[in-house]
Amino acid sequence: GAGVSQSPSNKVTEKGKDVELRCDPISGHTALYWYRQSLGQGLEFLIYFQGNSAPDKSGLPSDRFSAERTGGSVSTLTIQRTQQEDSAVYLCASSLAAVRGFNEKLFFGSGTQLSVL
Amino acid sequence: GQQLNQSPQSMFIQEGEDVSMNCTSSSIFNTWLWYKQDPGEGPVLLIALYKAGELTSNGRLTAQFGITRKDSFLNISASIPSDVGIYFCGSSNTGKLIFGQGTTLQVKP
Repeated sequence: GAGVSQSPSNKVTEKGKDVELRCDPISGHTALYWYRQSLGQGLEFLIYFQGNSAPDKSGLPSDRFSAERTGGSVSTLTIQRTQQEDSAVYLCASSLAAVRGFNEKLFFGSGTQLSVL
Repeated sequence: GQQLNQSPQSMFIQEGEDVSMNCTSSSIFNTWLWYKQDPGEGPVLLIALYKAGELTSNGRLTAQFGITRKDSFLNISASIPSDVGIYFCGSSNTGKLIFGQGTTLQVKP
């Protein structure tokens, strides 16, 4: 596609429910990143993929968070048993590759605004 | 873990004024980046720096990679209303990019 596409753009859920957030990267981009942005906060790294592998999952806040990427393309971020503190904008980004000279040029989607009531 | 400390947290300036913001870390990095985020959008890359001491310009924006490799600054000259937004510094040594807390810039016409 022309840009990074994220869906849904908004998600309202009840505490304790599971949610799935989807990211469709730019065609041909092998690296994919997930970040979380809480209100008035910076960009918190969650996980990145090179192809279908996740070399660094260190940013996932707890074992309720997981992500997968299939076919080197679409990625899904799953949050189980959501809590109110999970409310934030979840941003996905992609780049040509997760190596120096390429990974700096991240192209971000517009994000999914998650609200946990 | 690695952290980027960005300052100031917010700025409210008059149109036409110059702006300066910076980012520091206790860790050494190979790359420093500056991104801008408009409301409701994802961040967009403004400038990428790859060498210690490097000074790079992009229009009215100028950024420098600190000699110690632990800091960077971004200057905006002659600010205009469309400069409003959140500016993030970012850096990486591996495939992972981390970002600072952001500087929110407001410009008064």
